Amino acid sequence: KQEVTQIPAALSVPEGENLVLNCSFTDSAIYNLQWFRQDPGKGLTSLLLIQSSQREQTSGRLNASLDKSSGRSTLYIAASQPGDSATYLCAVRDMRFGAGTRLTVKP
Amino acid sequence: DTGVSQDPRHKITKRGQNVTFRCDPISEHNRLYWYRQTLGQGPEFLTYFQNEAQLEKSRLLSDRFSAERPKGSFSTLEIQRTEQGDSAMYLCASSLVHLVAPGELFFGEGSRLTVL
Repeated sequence: KQEVTQIPAALSVPEGENLVLNCSFTDSAIYNLQWFRQDPGKGLTSLLLIQSSQREQTSGRLNASLDKSSGRSTLYIAASQPGDSATYLCAVRDMRFGAGTRLTVKP
Repeated sequence: DTGVSQDPRHKITKRGQNVTFRCDPISEHNRLYWYRQTLGQGPEFLTYFQNEAQLEKSRLLSDRFSAERPKGSFSTLEIQRTEQGDSAMYLCASSLVHLVAPGELFFGEGSRLTVL
């Protein structure tokens, strides 16, 4: 059974810092891994999708990496802004989710 | 069609009543998922459909829960004899599966259920 873990559970940083969020999974037989953002009381917004054959994906200030052999993915956020404050979730085949990392970026 | 839509957005009901949620996926998407999410937790998988076929149901899904996708388009999730523990956000998502690989997952805004 696939288990997905996200560390840390919560993170608070000052504006402008670069930060890394972690996602680990137990079953490396994944098709892809997807990172999402969720604002309070809202649905999930897709940030990045990494196919199992890829090592990383980039979108703007976001960069996600995937290491299937070690069962890990990281989401790197550059030059964080207060608008980045949200919960970040990762999901793997068949779209099982971690509990998320709650990020607060202080002005 | 610009995204996944869910209805109703909010539902308040009394314990023991039945409720039904509807999800309209992105039109060309052949896979549809239902999740439940409680405060501070990630989405918990309930079930998913490929076209009209229900391919997997979570063992956590009691027999009070039933989902359908009769024509491979919209889906309904019904909860019978609701309990206070059913209070949660019910999320629907859809994707386009190519061969066997699931594509990018897109979520609706969710249906929040409160059972009094």
